[in-house]
Amino acid sequence: DTAVSQTPKYLVTQMGNDKSIKCEQNLGHDTMYWYKQDSKKFLKIMFSYNNKELIINETVPNRFSPKSPDKAHLNLHINSLELGDSAVYFCASSQGSNIQYFGAGTRLSVL
Amino acid sequence: GEDVEQSLFLSVREGDSSVINCTYTDSSSTYLYWYKQEPGAGLQLLTYIFSNMDMKQDQRLTVLLNKKDKHLSLRIADTQTGDSAIYFCAESPTGRRALTFGSGTRLQVQP
Repeated sequence: DTAVSQTPKYLVTQMGNDKSIKCEQNLGHDTMYWYKQDSKKFLKIMFSYNNKELIINETVPNRFSPKSPDKAHLNLHINSLELGDSAVYFCASSQGSNIQYFGAGTRLSVL
Repeated sequence: GEDVEQSLFLSVREGDSSVINCTYTDSSSTYLYWYKQEPGAGLQLLTYIFSNMDMKQDQRLTVLLNKKDKHLSLRIADTQTGDSAIYFCAESPTGRRALTFGSGTRLQVQP
């Protein structure tokens, strides 16, 4: 069983659309994250949730809205997609501040 | 600041040792990590070292930590073509549940 799973793996969409990426972890962890990897492979934290509570919210446009229905899920909804949103989005989870395990990534292409 | 720096590229011959270096600025990091990313794939946790250790060995991998100089290195012995990937070092500052990544070092292994 995959520990941290993201869907979809690939997402191609038009500018202006709204899309969601889902993440689920079966590790029993209490903390989940979204990271963005840009075209130069640079990875940066976007959001972090601990027990469904938002604990980190970096300078991300408010078009991005994370939602954590329970400890095992952290979804990312993006409104009014822009060309600059094209990237690979990684979900991760950890137990507290311990080791983070990553999903396989969602490659978003905005046309 | 929280800057993690790595050289961008390393090329070695199959069978040689590879050494990938990283410098970080935040001395409060509890753990320091090495992640591997193969082309088109997700982030795989390769190894990590606790901040009170100087060295950790795991099969072909050796991690060295110099806290005084805030320098972390990853040595891969007997490098194989399957080791070709991007290697990211990352720190986890105490009290901040997010990783700060370096820019990644692309390792190319020549047959």
